[in-house]
Amino acid sequence: DAGITQSPRHKVTETGTPVTLRCHQTENHRYMYWYRQDPGHGLRLIHYSYGVKDTDKGEVSDGYSVSRSKTEDFLLTLESATSSQTSVYFCAISEAVSYNSPLHFGNGTRLTVT
Amino acid sequence: TQLLEQSPQFLSIQEGENLTVYCNSSSVFSSLQWYRQEPGEGPVLLVTVVTGGEVKKLKRLTFQFGDARKDSSLHITAAQPGDTGLYLCAGAERGGADGLTFGKGTHLIIQP
Repeated sequence: DAGITQSPRHKVTETGTPVTLRCHQTENHRYMYWYRQDPGHGLRLIHYSYGVKDTDKGEVSDGYSVSRSKTEDFLLTLESATSSQTSVYFCAISEAVSYNSPLHFGNGTRLTVT
Repeated sequence: TQLLEQSPQFLSIQEGENLTVYCNSSSVFSSLQWYRQEPGEGPVLLVTVVTGGEVKKLKRLTFQFGDARKDSSLHITAAQPGDTGLYLCAGAERGGADGLTFGKGTHLIIQP
Protein backbone atom coordinates (compact mmCIF):
# COMPACT_ATOMS: atom_id res chain seq x y z
CA ASP A 1 0.00 0.00 0.00
CA ALA A 2 1.13 3.54 -0.81
CA GLY A 3 2.27 5.39 2.29
CA ILE A 4 -0.37 8.09 2.64
CA THR A 5 -1.54 9.33 6.00
CA GLN A 6 -4.40 11.75 6.45
CA SER A 7 -4.99 13.57 9.72
CA PRO A 8 -7.23 13.92 11.52
CA ARG A 9 -9.46 10.99 10.49
CA HIS A 10 -12.52 12.61 11.98
CA LYS A 11 -13.28 16.20 12.93
CA VAL A 12 -16.31 18.15 14.08
CA THR A 13 -16.09 21.91 13.89
CA GLU A 14 -18.38 24.91 14.07
CA THR A 15 -19.45 27.13 11.20
CA GLY A 16 -17.06 30.02 10.68
CA THR A 17 -13.95 28.39 12.14
CA PRO A 18 -10.84 27.68 10.09
CA VAL A 19 -9.88 24.03 9.64
CA THR A 20 -6.70 22.46 8.27
CA LEU A 21 -6.45 18.90 7.02
CA ARG A 22 -3.09 17.27 6.51
CA CYS A 23 -1.88 14.73 3.97
CA HIS A 24 1.53 13.14 4.44
CA GLN A 25 3.16 10.76 1.93
CA THR A 26 6.28 8.65 2.17
CA GLU A 27 6.42 7.75 -1.55
CA ASN A 28 8.19 10.89 -2.79
CA HIS A 29 5.52 11.30 -5.48
CA ARG A 30 5.43 14.65 -7.23
CA TYR A 31 1.68 15.00 -7.68
CA MET A 32 -0.80 15.37 -4.82
CA TYR A 33 -4.54 15.95 -4.88
CA TRP A 34 -7.40 16.83 -2.57
CA TYR A 35 -10.85 15.45 -3.39
CA ARG A 36 -14.15 15.59 -1.58
CA GLN A 37 -16.70 12.79 -1.77
CA ASP A 38 -20.39 13.44 -1.29
CA PRO A 39 -23.48 11.28 -1.92
CA GLY A 40 -24.88 12.03 -5.34
CA HIS A 41 -21.74 13.84 -6.48
CA GLY A 42 -18.97 11.29 -6.38
CA LEU A 43 -15.36 12.41 -6.10
CA ARG A 44 -14.68 16.02 -7.01
CA LEU A 45 -11.26 17.64 -7.26
CA ILE A 46 -10.66 20.60 -4.93
CA HIS A 47 -7.00 21.48 -5.51
CA TYR A 48 -3.91 19.73 -6.74
CA SER A 49 -0.15 20.18 -6.61
CA TYR A 50 2.47 19.35 -9.20
CA GLY A 51 5.47 20.17 -7.03
CA VAL A 52 6.63 22.06 -3.97
CA LYS A 53 4.87 25.42 -3.90
CA ASP A 54 3.16 24.62 -7.22
CA THR A 55 -0.60 24.27 -6.84
CA ASP A 56 -3.70 24.84 -8.91
CA LYS A 57 -7.47 24.88 -8.53
CA GLY A 58 -9.78 22.03 -9.26
CA GLU A 59 -13.49 21.82 -9.94
CA VAL A 60 -14.72 22.88 -6.48
CA SER A 61 -12.01 25.15 -5.05
CA ASP A 62 -14.14 27.99 -3.63
CA GLY A 63 -13.69 28.30 0.14
CA TYR A 64 -10.55 26.16 0.16
CA SER A 65 -6.83 26.91 0.01
CA VAL A 66 -3.81 24.62 -0.07
CA SER A 67 -0.12 24.72 0.64
CA ARG A 68 2.77 22.46 -0.16
CA SER A 69 6.05 23.51 1.44
CA LYS A 70 7.60 20.02 1.33
CA THR A 71 7.26 17.16 -1.13
CA GLU A 72 5.70 14.93 1.51
CA ASP A 73 3.04 17.27 2.91
CA PHE A 74 -0.05 18.78 1.30
CA LEU A 75 -2.34 20.85 3.51
CA LEU A 76 -5.97 21.73 2.82
CA THR A 77 -7.44 24.70 4.67
CA LEU A 78 -11.08 25.65 4.95
CA GLU A 79 -10.78 29.33 5.57
CA SER A 80 -14.17 29.71 7.27
CA ALA A 81 -16.00 26.39 7.44
CA THR A 82 -19.61 26.18 6.25
CA SER A 83 -22.15 23.39 6.57
CA SER A 84 -21.87 22.74 2.82
CA GLN A 85 -18.27 21.69 3.43
CA THR A 86 -19.39 18.74 5.55
CA SER A 87 -17.92 15.88 3.55
CA VAL A 88 -15.33 13.14 3.40
CA TYR A 89 -12.02 14.49 2.15
CA PHE A 90 -9.51 12.29 0.35
CA CYS A 91 -5.90 12.97 -0.44
CA ALA A 92 -4.37 11.19 -3.43
CA ILE A 93 -0.89 10.97 -4.89
CA SER A 94 0.48 10.08 -8.30
CA GLU A 95 4.00 9.37 -9.44
CA ALA A 96 3.56 10.78 -12.91
CA VAL A 97 1.04 12.63 -14.99
CA SER A 98 0.03 10.53 -17.92
CA TYR A 99 -3.22 9.12 -19.17
CA ASN A 100 -2.65 5.80 -17.43
CA SER A 101 -1.08 6.90 -14.16
CA PRO A 102 -3.03 5.58 -11.18
CA LEU A 103 -4.02 7.60 -8.16
CA HIS A 104 -3.24 6.23 -4.70
CA PHE A 105 -5.67 7.43 -2.06
CA GLY A 106 -5.46 7.94 1.67
CA ASN A 107 -8.23 6.67 3.92
CA GLY A 108 -9.99 9.99 4.18
CA THR A 109 -10.98 12.59 6.75
CA ARG A 110 -14.63 12.82 7.74
CA LEU A 111 -15.40 16.46 8.47
CA THR A 112 -18.65 17.63 10.04
CA VAL A 113 -19.41 21.35 10.19
CA THR A 114 -22.19 22.17 12.66
CA THR B 1 -16.81 19.39 -18.01
CA GLN B 2 -16.84 15.79 -19.10
CA LEU B 3 -19.33 13.52 -17.40
CA LEU B 4 -19.15 9.82 -16.65
CA GLU B 5 -22.46 8.12 -15.96
CA GLN B 6 -22.37 4.87 -14.02
CA SER B 7 -25.21 2.38 -13.89
CA PRO B 8 -26.78 0.95 -11.95
CA GLN B 9 -26.30 3.18 -8.92
CA PHE B 10 -27.14 0.34 -6.56
CA LEU B 11 -27.09 -3.43 -7.07
CA SER B 12 -27.77 -6.17 -4.55
CA ILE B 13 -27.46 -9.78 -5.70
CA GLN B 14 -26.92 -13.25 -4.27
CA GLU B 15 -23.54 -14.92 -3.99
CA GLY B 16 -22.72 -16.88 -7.12
CA GLU B 17 -24.62 -14.68 -9.55
CA ASN B 18 -23.05 -12.75 -12.41
CA LEU B 19 -23.35 -8.99 -12.89
CA THR B 20 -22.27 -6.16 -15.15
CA VAL B 21 -21.87 -2.49 -14.29
CA TYR B 22 -21.49 0.23 -16.87
CA CYS B 23 -19.61 3.49 -17.26
CA ASN B 24 -20.75 5.71 -20.14
CA SER B 25 -19.86 9.11 -21.53
CA SER B 26 -20.47 11.19 -24.63
CA SER B 27 -16.79 12.14 -24.58
CA VAL B 28 -13.71 10.26 -25.67
CA PHE B 29 -11.18 9.37 -23.01
CA SER B 30 -7.51 8.48 -23.39
CA SER B 31 -7.99 5.80 -20.75
CA LEU B 32 -10.42 4.59 -18.13
CA GLN B 33 -9.53 3.41 -14.68
CA TRP B 34 -11.69 1.32 -12.35
CA TYR B 35 -11.42 1.62 -8.58
CA ARG B 36 -13.06 -0.21 -5.70
CA GLN B 37 -13.77 1.51 -2.42
CA GLU B 38 -14.70 -0.13 0.86
CA PRO B 39 -16.36 1.70 3.78
CA GLY B 40 -13.95 3.91 5.70
CA GLU B 41 -11.20 3.57 3.12
CA GLY B 42 -9.99 5.33 0.01
CA PRO B 43 -10.52 3.98 -3.51
CA VAL B 44 -8.04 1.36 -4.71
CA LEU B 45 -7.15 0.95 -8.37
CA LEU B 46 -8.32 -2.30 -10.00
CA VAL B 47 -7.34 -1.79 -13.63
CA THR B 48 -6.57 0.74 -16.35
CA VAL B 49 -7.82 0.22 -19.91
CA VAL B 50 -6.20 2.23 -22.66
CA THR B 51 -6.96 0.84 -26.11
CA GLY B 52 -10.40 0.91 -27.70
CA GLY B 53 -11.90 -2.59 -27.58
CA GLU B 54 -9.40 -3.71 -24.93
CA VAL B 55 -10.45 -6.46 -22.54
CA LYS B 56 -8.63 -7.10 -19.28
CA LYS B 57 -9.28 -9.87 -16.80
CA LEU B 58 -8.51 -9.82 -13.10
CA LYS B 59 -9.53 -13.21 -11.70
CA ARG B 60 -13.37 -13.16 -11.82
CA LEU B 61 -13.52 -9.53 -12.99
CA THR B 62 -13.54 -8.66 -16.69
CA PHE B 63 -13.10 -5.07 -17.83
CA GLN B 64 -13.84 -3.84 -21.33
CA PHE B 65 -13.14 -0.49 -22.98
CA GLY B 66 -15.52 0.46 -25.77
CA ASP B 67 -14.25 0.64 -29.34
CA ALA B 68 -14.85 4.41 -29.42
CA ARG B 69 -13.23 4.88 -25.97
CA LYS B 70 -16.38 6.50 -24.60
CA ASP B 71 -17.60 3.70 -22.38
CA SER B 72 -16.48 0.78 -20.29
CA SER B 73 -17.99 -2.15 -18.47
CA LEU B 74 -17.07 -4.34 -15.52
CA HIS B 75 -18.39 -7.90 -15.44
CA ILE B 76 -18.11 -10.04 -12.34
CA THR B 77 -18.55 -13.78 -12.61
CA ALA B 78 -19.78 -15.81 -9.64
CA ALA B 79 -19.86 -12.84 -7.28
CA GLN B 80 -18.55 -13.32 -3.75
CA PRO B 81 -19.37 -11.34 -0.57
CA GLY B 82 -15.82 -9.99 -0.73
CA ASP B 83 -16.75 -8.19 -3.97
CA THR B 84 -19.05 -5.90 -1.99
CA GLY B 85 -18.07 -2.27 -2.32
CA LEU B 86 -18.36 0.94 -4.28
CA TYR B 87 -17.04 0.65 -7.82
CA LEU B 88 -15.85 3.86 -9.44
CA CYS B 89 -14.79 4.53 -12.99
CA ALA B 90 -12.51 7.44 -13.81
CA GLY B 91 -11.63 8.83 -17.21
CA ALA B 92 -8.40 10.49 -18.22
CA GLU B 93 -8.88 13.05 -20.96
CA ARG B 94 -5.65 14.76 -21.72
CA GLY B 95 -3.17 13.45 -19.19
CA GLY B 96 -2.89 16.71 -17.31
CA ALA B 97 -2.50 16.80 -13.56
CA ASP B 98 -6.22 17.43 -13.17
CA GLY B 99 -7.24 15.07 -15.92
CA LEU B 100 -9.24 12.40 -14.03
CA THR B 101 -13.04 12.63 -14.10
CA PHE B 102 -14.84 10.29 -11.72
CA GLY B 103 -18.27 8.73 -12.09
CA LYS B 104 -20.58 8.67 -9.08
CA GLY B 105 -20.09 4.96 -8.57
CA THR B 106 -22.06 1.73 -8.32
CA HIS B 107 -22.80 0.44 -4.83
CA LEU B 108 -22.58 -3.35 -5.02
CA ILE B 109 -23.77 -5.69 -2.26
CA ILE B 110 -23.28 -9.43 -2.55
CA GLN B 111 -25.56 -11.32 -0.18
CA PRO B 112 -24.16 -14.61 1.22
